[in-house]
Amino acid sequence: SQQGEEDPQALSIQEGENATMNCSYKTSINNLQWYRQNSGRGLVHLILIRSNEREKHSGRLRVTLDTSKKSSSLLITASRAADTASYFCATPSGSARQLTFGSGTQLTVLP
Amino acid sequence: KAGVTQTPRYLIKTRGQQVTLSCSPISGHRSVSWYQQTPGQGLQFLFEYFSETQRNKGNFPGRFSGRQFSNSRSEMNVSTLELGDSALYLCASSLVIGVSYEQYFGPGTRLTVT
Repeated sequence: SQQGEEDPQALSIQEGENATMNCSYKTSINNLQWYRQNSGRGLVHLILIRSNEREKHSGRLRVTLDTSKKSSSLLITASRAADTASYFCATPSGSARQLTFGSGTQLTVLP
Repeated sequence: KAGVTQTPRYLIKTRGQQVTLSCSPISGHRSVSWYQQTPGQGLQFLFEYFSETQRNKGNFPGRFSGRQFSNSRSEMNVSTLELGDSALYLCASSLVIGVSYEQYFGPGTRLTVT
């Protein structure tokens, strides 16, 4: 089963524009992570935000977390064609190192 | 450091056969998790191994099994393959720090069952 739902499912923007994708989850968490996946390949870890953090930056990425609404957003600023990929949020569940992934947002950045 | 490696990268099998996939984690990482990715079900957790012990298992039938060796390398096995087992199988290794951790994924093994 999937913990989170991501919105939108697909997003198409022009190079240079900002891209925002949202993730909602169902249960209490101690952290939330965002991953990127280029077509049919492995996932790349982008950023981890802890439950006591509200916002975190990494380069052109900005992640926010609202635990009261059980939601997170990922903002990519000044997008590039190379940012074209699927983006997933993931939350740890259970007592072990198990991630539950959202359904993903397919981002297409047009040159 | 070398990243997570998975072998083979592509595999074609016939229904009823069995398959073994291999994963070598990043040096020093002792946790290895396996995931299945399909267009219909998305990314789903299969199981996780830490220090050669299975720590958690997802909601998959007993045909899916795995193990971890003393050097942290892991294998997963699927017996009596079904068409629905066609998927991208990803493994991920973790350097566990407290309760927050990041997972580093391999490129995946694309399994096609015909």
